[in-house]
Amino acid sequence: DAKTTQPPSMDCAEGRAANLPCNHSTISGNEYVYWYRQIHSQGPQYIIHGLKNNETNEMASLIITEDRKSSTLILPHATLRDTAVYYCIVRVNRNNAGNMLTFGGGTRLMVKP
Amino acid sequence: DAGVTQSPTHLIKTRGQQVTLRCSPKSGHDTVSWYQQALGQGPQFIFQYYEEEERQRGNFPDRFSGHQFPNYSSELNVNALLLGDSALYLCASTPRLGTSYNEQFFGPGTRLTVL
Repeated sequence: DAKTTQPPSMDCAEGRAANLPCNHSTISGNEYVYWYRQIHSQGPQYIIHGLKNNETNEMASLIITEDRKSSTLILPHATLRDTAVYYCIVRVNRNNAGNMLTFGGGTRLMVKP
Repeated sequence: DAGVTQSPTHLIKTRGQQVTLRCSPKSGHDTVSWYQQALGQGPQFIFQYYEEEERQRGNFPDRFSGHQFPNYSSELNVNALLLGDSALYLCASTPRLGTSYNEQFFGPGTRLTVL
């Protein structure tokens, strides 16, 4: 699975959009971009994933560049509850046997009042 | 519908002891993965169980072993505990094989402290 690079930390004002970048310059054509987050003292939580098209769900939007070498997770209206470590993970979608996740250091997002 | 549950929530052991951690997957899930998360780091994959067999394994020594039961629940066993085994141990489950949705659901973890 391709390696990802994320800034170690970011701040965001409450109510503003939080834009979390991720570089994955060695991504292969069949690898997806996944985002998980981990709120303090909890297990990681799935947010969103995509292959090459932009994706949106009730939690966030995922913007993937045309060359797929980078992506941005957007939390449109950040709240204090969005304070967490956000992990960008790139991997092939496999059957259940083999779909483990390789976590990097992630980005620690601090949402401030 | 209960999500992934893990027990115990906290555990304190001494060096050289053995420990067993337990995980019940989310209803309808048949694959269980275990991760170790040291303080300040991202989770690291230990191994994955499907159909009561270990299917994939990360870079962990044989002191780490596991089991999956017919009801899909799983155990993680660690023998000869070292101080460096102190970590949050996370269990994650995945829906049945053939489901296109590839999300992993994580439990709250077991915090293991080795003294």
